[in-house]
Amino acid sequence: DTAVSQTPKYLVTQMGNDKSIKCEQNLGHDTMYWYKQDSKKFLKIMFSYNNKELIINETVPNRFSPKSPDKAHLNLHINSLELGDSAVYFCASSQGINEKLFFGSGTQLSVL
Amino acid sequence: DQQVKQNSPSLSVQEGRISILNCDYTNSMFDYFLWYKKYPAEGPTFLISISSIKDKNEDGRFTVFLNKSAKHLSLHIVPSQPGDSAVYFCAANYRGGADGLTFGKGTHLIIQP
Repeated sequence: DTAVSQTPKYLVTQMGNDKSIKCEQNLGHDTMYWYKQDSKKFLKIMFSYNNKELIINETVPNRFSPKSPDKAHLNLHINSLELGDSAVYFCASSQGINEKLFFGSGTQLSVL
Repeated sequence: DQQVKQNSPSLSVQEGRISILNCDYTNSMFDYFLWYKKYPAEGPTFLISISSIKDKNEDGRFTVFLNKSAKHLSLHIVPSQPGDSAVYFCAANYRGGADGLTFGKGTHLIIQP
């Protein structure tokens, strides 16, 4: 049973399209995150939700919109995709905002 | 502005020897430090952590050392095994804040037979 699962694993799409990445955790954690790993390999936090409430919103274009229907799910919707959005996106969860993270296996997004 | 720095992009170590991975940080507010291990096409997995009230934490073959005055931590793996070949990320945060973990760029450890 995968603790943090995200789909799809690979996503290839054209510039200008809208796409979503889904994430679910079965660990009973209160906090979920989206991280982006760019071509320089940095893992940077994008968003964090605690019990469905947004608590971290880093400087990310507003084309990126997270949605948390319940505390076990945090989806990421991206509008008007650009070439620079190509990266690996990781979902993660933790018991609290400052506790260790459990990561999903990542979504490789390629924008052509 | 990189608050967590891993200055060695890669490190090659012979099987059975000690691997030492280094990490430096600039934010003096950080009080919790973690190491993650990542295999290709997988997410990072938690390895070991240390609180700023300690200077050493050990878990089996893995030991993390923290030098607060130098703002430096290191991960020692002994003995190194082929399955240790992976990318290792150092991470840190301030437990009194709400900023989540800040990660370094990672060090690719290669264990040679």
